[in-house]
Amino acid sequence: DIQMTQSPSTLSASVGDRVTITCRASQSISTWLAWYQQKPGKAPKLLIYETSSLESGVPSRFSGSGSGTEFTLTISSLQPDDFATYYCQQYDSYWTFGQGTRVEIK
Amino acid sequence: EVQLVESGGGLIQPGGSLRLSCAASGFTVRNNYMSWVRQAPGKGLEWVSIFYSGGATYYADSVKGRFTISRDNSKNTLYLQMNSLRAEDTAVYYCARGRSVGSCCQFYSWGQGTVVTVSS
Repeated sequence: DIQMTQSPSTLSASVGDRVTITCRASQSISTWLAWYQQKPGKAPKLLIYETSSLESGVPSRFSGSGSGTEFTLTISSLQPDDFATYYCQQYDSYWTFGQGTRVEIK
Repeated sequence: EVQLVESGGGLIQPGGSLRLSCAASGFTVRNNYMSWVRQAPGKGLEWVSIFYSGGATYYADSVKGRFTISRDNSKNTLYLQMNSLRAEDTAVYYCARGRSVGSCCQFYSWGQGTVVTVSS
């Protein structure tokens, strides 16, 4: 089974900050990685798929990069609506999510 | 408009059974990859099961042999039959529509979730 590990678990940041979240896979997943945003009490929302492809309607301040086993999600300038929990998900072999990164207000 | 509406959750005793439903509108279930993803209270997301458009089904090891995914094409509805329920199955269960771009799948449409609580 492929394990996904995100870091950090919690991130404190201010509006306007550049934020980076890392996701590591236990084995190579090529570029079969997606990122989701989840707010309390709500369903997850797809942000990025295939490592760096932006889902329709998602602001361009979100970007993704990486390949193999190491991936990053970057928010170029954090906005008030971005405070949420973010999950990575691999879909190379079955489907596995990372444990989540909570982005909170500093 | 695409919509996924889950139902069927509730409080059930350990060892009991429950069937979740996911009614879809705005698209055809049989032509899509449809999945169940769950989230235990205060925890992260866990993939549970998927139904490929071609008919193949897959399960997480944690539910294999206890849960069965199915679909009713006439009702455009996805189901999850859950048997031999355990306390660790307590979670919000989400229905999600998957998209295969090179590899299956990223999950790009989600329902609002239905709560399953397994407790005596």
